[in-house]
Amino acid sequence: DAGITQSPRYKITETGRQVTLMCHQTWSHSYMFWYRQDLGHGLRLIYYSAAADITDKGEVPDGYVVSRSKTENFPLTLESATRSQTSVYFCASSEWSTSGGGELFFGEGSRLTVL
Amino acid sequence: ELKVEQNPLFLSMQEGKNYTIYCNYSTTSDRLYWYRQDPGKSLESLFVLLSNGAVKQEGRLMASLDTKARLSTLHITAAVHDLSATYFCAVLNYGGSQGNLIFGKGTKLSVKP
Repeated sequence: DAGITQSPRYKITETGRQVTLMCHQTWSHSYMFWYRQDLGHGLRLIYYSAAADITDKGEVPDGYVVSRSKTENFPLTLESATRSQTSVYFCASSEWSTSGGGELFFGEGSRLTVL
Repeated sequence: ELKVEQNPLFLSMQEGKNYTIYCNYSTTSDRLYWYRQDPGKSLESLFVLLSNGAVKQEGRLMASLDTKARLSTLHITAAVHDLSATYFCAVLNYGGSQGNLIFGKGTKLSVKP
């Protein structure tokens, strides 16, 4: 089915472990994003990508790594998880032009708990 | 740096009443988006506002954009329980990479009978 899918949907890990959250979209959107959602902070941008092999930092990038070797995939890796990274992570994609668009389409979210 | 502020952050309404959620932003932008989020769910797009004076309506919700005032409003008419959710506005950040949206903290709406 067309859309944007995230996996895993739920993950419990321990401090210091590496975790990778996967994101796959079937629309061939150029732009992809990772946000985290925490109570009191709303959605904060971690990393984004304008195209394959082009990524850039958002508001809260520390402790995270991304890659985008293919247009449809945008994995997010926590290299050494910390308790402060317990959150709900949303992947999103969009297509932007000077004449319109820019609307983000979100995945279902990945709920990560770091013990 | 673009900042987006919503108010109120919490809103308890009675069914049948009208109310407005406000979204202010700090730097020039002409694209604004409204999203709805139900508890434990993802964000669903409600409105895309792409120019000054844009007005969109869907059911009991109406959104407008005033780029000169850097203000968008989401008006709720004759609220019903099904509208209970958290509503986010997001503004296109021209200062960042194209396509980068900055979100407000959300307005949690509770509609009571």
